[in-house]
Amino acid sequence: AQRVTQPEKLLSVFKGAPVELKCNYSYSGSPELFWYVQYSRQRLQLLLRHISRESIKGFTADLNKGETSFHLKKPFAQEEDSAMYYCALYRMDTGRRALTFGSGTRLQVQP
Amino acid sequence: DVKVTQSSRYLVKRTGEKVFLECVQDMDHENMFWYRQDPGLGLRLIYFSYDVKMKEKGDIPEGYSVSREKKERFSLILESASTNQTSMYLCASSSLGGANGYTFGSGTRLTVV
Repeated sequence: AQRVTQPEKLLSVFKGAPVELKCNYSYSGSPELFWYVQYSRQRLQLLLRHISRESIKGFTADLNKGETSFHLKKPFAQEEDSAMYYCALYRMDTGRRALTFGSGTRLQVQP
Repeated sequence: DVKVTQSSRYLVKRTGEKVFLECVQDMDHENMFWYRQDPGLGLRLIYFSYDVKMKEKGDIPEGYSVSREKKERFSLILESASTNQTSMYLCASSSLGGANGYTFGSGTRLTVV
């Protein structure tokens, strides 16, 4: 079965510092990887997906199949980036049509 | 603005009660999902449905059941609520099972006493 691991429960950085939220997955097939974000008192929302190769709010993520990783990065953190971040995997090549989520990382950006 | 609406934001129920959590989406999505969200455990899939009257077990279906009589509505049922089912429950919908991403509801925080 597939698994998504986010090793850090909490990541605290200062404003302007670089941010890297780690995500590793275990799945031998073809995955689609996502990052979701939940700001305080808001619903969970899609931040970005690897197939789009886009940058949202300054965040980027590259799929590294060799290291089975999909780390989320931002060069300069802002206070408004403080939120809960979840990495998620979708199996493209089998019948289970549902996302598997990691345990989440809380990002705190201090002024 | 398209939406996934969960009928209750907060619920308090007693142990042993039968509990219904309702979710409605207005995006004509085929796929709907129920997750529970717990600190340190992330989101865990309870059940999902890819069509009316169809359902599939997720990773933690024990103690839960679901109903999908209409395309827009997906109900989660706790047959006999227990304290370990105290959690945040999230409903989501998607047009392609997740490949295009989910739209989430705002969640129902259920407390079982």
